[in-house]
This record gives sequence, structure tokens and C-alpha cells, in this order.
Amino acid sequence: EDQVTQSPEALRLQEGESSSLNCSYTVSGLRGLFWYRQDPGKGPEFLFTLYSAGEEKEKERLKATLTKKESFLHITAPKPEDSATYLCAVHPYSGAGSYQLTFGKGTKLSVIP
Amino acid sequence: NAGVTQTPKFRVLKTGQSMTLLCAQDMNHEYMYWYRQDPGMGLRLIHYSVGEGTTAKGEVPDGYNVSRLKKQNFLLGLESAAPSQTSVYFCASSYRQGHTYEQYFGPGTRLTVT
Repeated sequence: EDQVTQSPEALRLQEGESSSLNCSYTVSGLRGLFWYRQDPGKGPEFLFTLYSAGEEKEKERLKATLTKKESFLHITAPKPEDSATYLCAVHPYSGAGSYQLTFGKGTKLSVIP
Repeated sequence: NAGVTQTPKFRVLKTGQSMTLLCAQDMNHEYMYWYRQDPGMGLRLIHYSVGEGTTAKGEVPDGYNVSRLKKQNFLLGLESAAPSQTSVYFCASSYRQGHTYEQYFGPGTRLTVT
């Protein structure tokens, strides 16, 4: 069974205090791994797609990396506006034509001024 | 581009009532999805569509029906609402990017069934 586990469940950072969020996954094969940001009362906002181990992508203060078993979302010098829940999802190879993503439960990030 | 839009934003139903949630996208995406999000459960796929006129079951399809009569619209129906269907519902659409599909989400519909 495909599984995605995100840790920690919640993280409080001081403004400027860099840290990382973890997404561990177990799949038979990986088509892609996705990171989303979700603000309270809103839909998930797409951030990154990672396809293979060793790949990295950056956007402003965020950098996503991928290994064969996990992905990290590094947040450098966070600001209060980075406060949100960050979701990780995997698209496994589960037979031809599979379109289903498996989502983790998210990490709620709070950045304190 | 409005992206993915959902109607309504909020709804309260009584047990046994029916309703339809509407999702519309203006990105010309082939694939569309309905999810529900519950505290502590993460996002779970209800139904999805790989093109106009097609639908398929996801992880939690029971109690829901869907239709995709037009490429840009995907409807989610509840025939006889139950309190267990109280949730936030998200629609998403995607296009094929290599071997995978980047999904873009709507703002959600908060449904309460009493």
C-alpha cells in the first residue's frame, strides 16, 4: 500500500529561523512527488513537482529536494507570510493509467515575528 | 484566467437532502478530480474524470455521483446526504506533465449535513 508520512505535524519558527519539513513515502514506483501550500479556508496551491532522486527545485525561500525514500522542503529565513500548511503528495506507478495521488496529512508551519 | 472555480462556497443540508456541487476550469485541462478533506485524514479522492464524458471511482466514492458532460465542468452529486459527508470538498484539474499530472485546486466548498 502506498503511504505518505509528513513530519512534524506542526512547526513553530521564529522569523528568520531556517528549518526543513519532511515527507517520507513508500510506493512501488514513483511518477512524481508534489508539494502544495494550503492557507486556512483555501484550496491547496501547487508549489513543486519532483520526478527523480537527486532533483531539487527552488522558489523564493523554499527549496524542495528528493531522495528515493523522502523529500524535504527547506525554508530559508522564513517570514510570517510563509505560515501555512504544507502538503506532500505522491503519484505512484500503480498500473497503467493510474491518476490517483496519495496525500500526506500535512505540516502546519507557524512563523512568529 | 480564473483557474478552478467551485460553486457554492458554503452549504448546509439536512440528512436525506440532495445537492450538486459545480466545478469549472478555464485551463483546458483534460483531467478533473473531486476530493474531500477531513481533519486528520488528509485529502481523499472521491471520483475523477480523464476526459469529457468519462468518470471513474476514487478512494471514497460511496454516496457520491459525478458527471462530466462538458470538458470544462465536473459535477459532484449527493443523492441523500448523511452527516458523515460533512467535509470540505475540493475540485482539481490537471494536464499531463511527463509521466505525471500536476493538479490545480479550487477554493473549496464547505458542506455541513445536520
